[in-house]
Amino acid sequence: AQSVTQPDIHITVSEGASLELRCNYSYGATPYLFWYVQSPGQGLQLLLKYFSGDTLVQGIKGFEAEFKRSQSSFNLRKPSVHWSDAAEYFCAVGASGGSYIPTFGRGTSLIVHP
Amino acid sequence: KAGVTQTPRYLIKTRGQQVTLSCSPISGHRSVSWYQQTPGQGLQFLFEYFSETQRNKGNFPGRFSGRQFSNSRSEMNVSTLELGDSALYLCASSGGQGALVGELFFGEGSRLTVL
Repeated sequence: AQSVTQPDIHITVSEGASLELRCNYSYGATPYLFWYVQSPGQGLQLLLKYFSGDTLVQGIKGFEAEFKRSQSSFNLRKPSVHWSDAAEYFCAVGASGGSYIPTFGRGTSLIVHP
Repeated sequence: KAGVTQTPRYLIKTRGQQVTLSCSPISGHRSVSWYQQTPGQGLQFLFEYFSETQRNKGNFPGRFSGRQFSNSRSEMNVSTLELGDSALYLCASSGGQGALVGELFFGEGSRLTVL
């Protein structure tokens, strides 16, 4: 069975600073990997996805993530954080076969200080 | 293209009552999933429907049920409400052309408060 770990419950950064949110997954084959963002009182929005090819993927809002098979990681990065990036971020893994249901991490809450 | 629409957005019920939540997926999407989100438990999968059939089910009691109609619209029902059912209920659709497992499009959710 697949699993996802987001080790950081909260992350605090200053506006303009760089950001890296960690995500580790467990899955036997090459997974489909996703990052979602949830602003307060809203649903989740897909930021980016990885399923094959280039291990560095670009997403919306200036985010990128890098798939590292050797470390079973898919960390999310942004070079310069804006106050509007304050939100909850979820990493998810989908399996290429079997269950159609992705597994979500517990989420990381990003706090941005001015 | 219209997104996923959930109604109602907010509702307040009392213990013992029942509630029905509605979800209209993105046009062309045949899969609809439901999630419960609470501060303590995070995002928990309830069930998934595809072409009017429940394809997957999470670990929730039988008080939680759902269905999907021929136009892919879905409803979920919670009977005999308990205080612990207070949560944000999220609906997500998927299944468009080229979609990956895990690529979901979420609605804004229905915020249920049980008093």
